[in-house]
Amino acid sequence: NAGVMQNPRHLVRRRGQEARLRCSPMKGHSHVYWYRQLPEEGLKFMVYLQKENIIDESGMPKERFSAEFPKEGPSILRIQQVVRGDSAAYFCASSPQMQGGGYTFGSGTRLTVV
Amino acid sequence: DAKTTQPTSMDCAEGRAANLPCNHSTISGNEYVYWYRQIHSQGPQYIIHGLKNNETNEMASLIITEDRKSSTLILPHATLRDTAVYYCIVRVSLLGEYGNKLVFGAGTILRVKS
Repeated sequence: NAGVMQNPRHLVRRRGQEARLRCSPMKGHSHVYWYRQLPEEGLKFMVYLQKENIIDESGMPKERFSAEFPKEGPSILRIQQVVRGDSAAYFCASSPQMQGGGYTFGSGTRLTVV
Repeated sequence: DAKTTQPTSMDCAEGRAANLPCNHSTISGNEYVYWYRQIHSQGPQYIIHGLKNNETNEMASLIITEDRKSSTLILPHATLRDTAVYYCIVRVSLLGEYGNKLVFGAGTILRVKS
């Protein structure tokens, strides 16, 4: 029973490049959440998606960041024109449609911008 | 979502019970108490959640006061591997609603020592 799969585990990008982070939720889960954790800081909510819908993007930076969760395939967090301040761990979590327990988190993608 | 207050850090001897307190004096009647932990550099891990009754699972016990204004997470026999940041979060359990997301605070750093 595979958990939430994130890839790549580590990603290095030069300033100005694009970063694409992928998240495959657990089987049967239709809700995906993205969080960012800057070095030595706490987890910050970014966006909550259901299949083909963005439900809550209140934590997304206004520029350069976008997220999608298509009908088929993984959820993608896309960061355009990365800057050094984007270096962080990005975690994805998923949950089923009817759920009384907690989210399941992936192991994260560690983005380093050089 | 109601705000929670946790001690910044705690120490516990290996093999002893770790009792982690959390205050949530503004909790609403339909808000659950969730506990997660994050072991260094890993994705957060769900531990337990409850509404008003005490709960127990294979990882921990959750004791919620009768007025629901505070709770305690109990790890009955702490091991070195339980060293982590522990987060107490309150939120409405229903999915599909705008704003229904886990909001992580600073948590409690639990250090289990041999």
